[in-house]
This record gives sequence, structure tokens and C-alpha cells, in this order.
Amino acid sequence: EAQVTQNPRYLITVTGKKLTVTCSQNMNHEYMSWYRQDPGLGLRQIYYSMNVEVTDKGDVPEGYKVSRKEKRNFPLILESPSPNQTSLYFCASSPLAERVSNEQFFGPGTRLTVL
Amino acid sequence: AQSVTQLGSHVSVSEGALVLLRCNYSSSVPPYLFWYVQYPNQGLQLLLKYTTGATLVKGINGFEAEFKKSETSFHLTKPSAHMSDAAEYFCAVSESAAGNKLTFGGGTRVLVKP
Repeated sequence: EAQVTQNPRYLITVTGKKLTVTCSQNMNHEYMSWYRQDPGLGLRQIYYSMNVEVTDKGDVPEGYKVSRKEKRNFPLILESPSPNQTSLYFCASSPLAERVSNEQFFGPGTRLTVL
Repeated sequence: AQSVTQLGSHVSVSEGALVLLRCNYSSSVPPYLFWYVQYPNQGLQLLLKYTTGATLVKGINGFEAEFKKSETSFHLTKPSAHMSDAAEYFCAVSESAAGNKLTFGGGTRVLVKP
């Protein structure tokens, strides 16, 4: 089944404790992206990657890191989480070859709480 | 820069009534437009999309949307609401020549009353 998976789905942590949220897709998509969803603000892009070893900042990158060592994986790293990073996080992927629509496929989400 | 405005963060409709969710966008180039739905505790699912061609787009679950360039709008409608339509709906825009970035509106939560 074609899908985007994220782990963990739920995470409660404390300020300053480094964490990683994993994202993996099995559709051989070149493009991957991370979003955070906050009430009333919709989804905002954190980072994106056009291909392996190619990453760039989105609209709200502060406090986050990413890496793209393999095509299928795009982990989101919070080196020193703070309470304002409490949010619902979505990973998404898209094939660059299909530039007719730019449609993205979303993972199930990771609900992060930073105390 | 692209942006999306969804009018109304909450909409309440009666079962069987028309569902109308408003979306206006701004884009410096011809846009690709999307409506996504998010059911409780789930990820985002594509309802429909507009790329080029016919401006009236039909999607899943009986939804449709019309691209009106002169009004920079892409409103979502469904003639008859069903209880299962209760969800949050997001309008999004992507500038067709600018890669895959999606910019989302703030979302509209739909409540369906029996």
C-alpha cells in the first residue's frame, strides 16, 4: 500500500530534550516536506526537500532541523524543544515528475507536547 | 508570494442542506488549487484539485469546487450535507511554476446537525 508513515504518533517530552520524528514514504517520491498545524493557522511549512541531500527552509524553520540521506526518509529533528513547538506535525511527499498538479500525500500526523 | 484566506473558521449546517466553504487566494502566477479534508484524529485527504482546463472540478464524496480567476476564488460546495461530512476542510494553493510548496488557509471546521 502506498503511504507516508510517521513515528511516533504521539509524544510528550520536556523542554530541552532532543527528539526526532521519523517520516518514511514508499512511493519513490522526490519531494518531501514537514508541516505543523496550529488552530486557526492551518498548516505551515517547516522544511522541504527536493531530493536526497537537498533541503531548504519553509516558512517556520526556527528550532527545527531535517536531513535527507535516503530518498524514502525525511526525519524532523528538534535539538532543544520548547513549549511553543507543541503542535500537530505532518509529513508529506510528492513526485516531482508529476508537475502537473503538485499534489502532496500526507502522513497520519504526530501530536507533540513539550512541557 | 501566495496566500489563502478561508472565510469562517466554523460552519454549521443541517443534514441535507447545502455546504458552502469559501476560499480566496492570491498568487503571482497561475495557481494550482486544492481542497483537503481532515477527519478527527486523521491526516489530510485530498478532496479535489484544480490545475488547468475545466474550471468546475468534481471531487470525492459529492464535493465540487469552481475556480473563478476574476474573483480569485475556489469555493467548495456539496448540495446535501451528510453527517459523515463533519470534519475540518483546508484550501491550499501552489504556484504551478514554483515547485511543490503548498500554502494553506486557516481551515474551516464543519459541524453537521441532524
